[in-house]
Formats: sequence, structure tokens, C-alpha cells
Amino acid sequence: QKEVEQDPGPLSVPEGAIVSLNCTYSNSAFQYFMWYRQYSRKGPELLMYTYSSGNKEDGRFTAQVDKSSKYISLFIRDSQPSDSATYLCAGRGRGSNYKLTFGKGTLLTVNP
Amino acid sequence: NAGVTQTPKFQVLKTGQSMTLQCAQDMNHNSMYWYRQDPGMGLRLIYYSASEGTTDKGEVPNGYNVSRLNKREFSLRLESAAPSQTSVYFCASSDGGGAYEQYFGPGTRLTVT
Repeated sequence: QKEVEQDPGPLSVPEGAIVSLNCTYSNSAFQYFMWYRQYSRKGPELLMYTYSSGNKEDGRFTAQVDKSSKYISLFIRDSQPSDSATYLCAGRGRGSNYKLTFGKGTLLTVNP
Repeated sequence: NAGVTQTPKFQVLKTGQSMTLQCAQDMNHNSMYWYRQDPGMGLRLIYYSASEGTTDKGEVPNGYNVSRLNKREFSLRLESAAPSQTSVYFCASSDGGGAYEQYFGPGTRLTVT
């Protein structure tokens, strides 16, 4: 079992929809969780990160972590065509473990 | 701030040729990383350098070598390129403060024929 599992999609939604992107993880040592956005033929761009369980909001984006079920979510409100990209989730343990473990990414298309 | 820069952007090699991919960051980060990204495989860590003067293997190190030249620069070398090394290569850097969130460069697209 991969440490971070992510449905590859593709996911296609109309403009203005609420998008839910999800990952599951198996490593109980993960404390930090990150979401990256990757446009076609570009490098991944950090959207936001959360520590342990709970929610974090940044504009139209909300990241949610449920450590009891090992579930990570990213919600996008009022989705825009410019949100069309691949979204990658990642987890990391605490302390000197510098390495991130990534999911394979979900391809999202927001149609105008 | 340019962030993380990578050169070259594109490269075509013949099997058996060697090349070095260059990466530099201007964010004064301690840690740097090299990943490869292949369709259906996601991002896989090749090597990383937790701090200047140290390097460690990641998930897929075979066929690669790295050099942490100084705090800013981290290079990846392919000594004898193989078609299986056709991929997009990303460099990233991170600093402390808890999350060690990583910041990525624009990537190098490498084709080995």
C-alpha cells in the first residue's frame, strides 16, 4: 500500500462549483500535510499546509485533516477555470524527517 | 527573488551520454531535493541534501549522483543516461520552522533516446 493514496481523476466541474479533493494516508507518524497545485508543464506550487488535525482556510481554499480516519481534503469554493490543474497532496512526519511523501495527484478541470 | 531555478529547461541525450542538471535557490534554505515525475508514478525523490555538506539517497537513486556545491546550489548528474531516465526532473528547497514545506523549480524535461 502506498503511504499516500489519491484518486487520479480526472475531475471535471462547472465554473462556480465547490470542489472536493481527497487523499488517504497510512503513516501514523505524519504530522504535516500539504497541498500543491501543478499547472501543465510547470513545477508544483505550494497552496497551503496544515499541522495535525483540523481546518485551515485561505481565500477560496480550505484544507482539512482528520487524523482519526487518516483522511486529507482540499475544498475549493466558487471554482474558476484558472483552478484547472493537477492537485497533489503530501504528508510528512515530525522532527528531522525532511522528506515529503506525495500522492500521485488529481487532475481537475473547471469548465466555463 | 527568483526562488528555485533550474537549467536547462529541456535536454535530449543519447543512451550512454552524461549530463548535469543544475539547481539554485536564493531563499537561504538549508535543505534541497531532486525529484523525478513520470506519468502515473507521481513525484519520486531521487536524492536530498538536508544541509550543506550532506546528501542522502531517496526512493530512486540508482543511476544518479548529486553534489551540494554550496548552500545555494545542488546538482544532479546522470553518468550514463538510459531511456528509463526519460522524465521531468524537479528541484526543490525547504527550510526549518516546522513544516519544512518545499518550494519547487520549473523543471527540466529530459529525453533519452
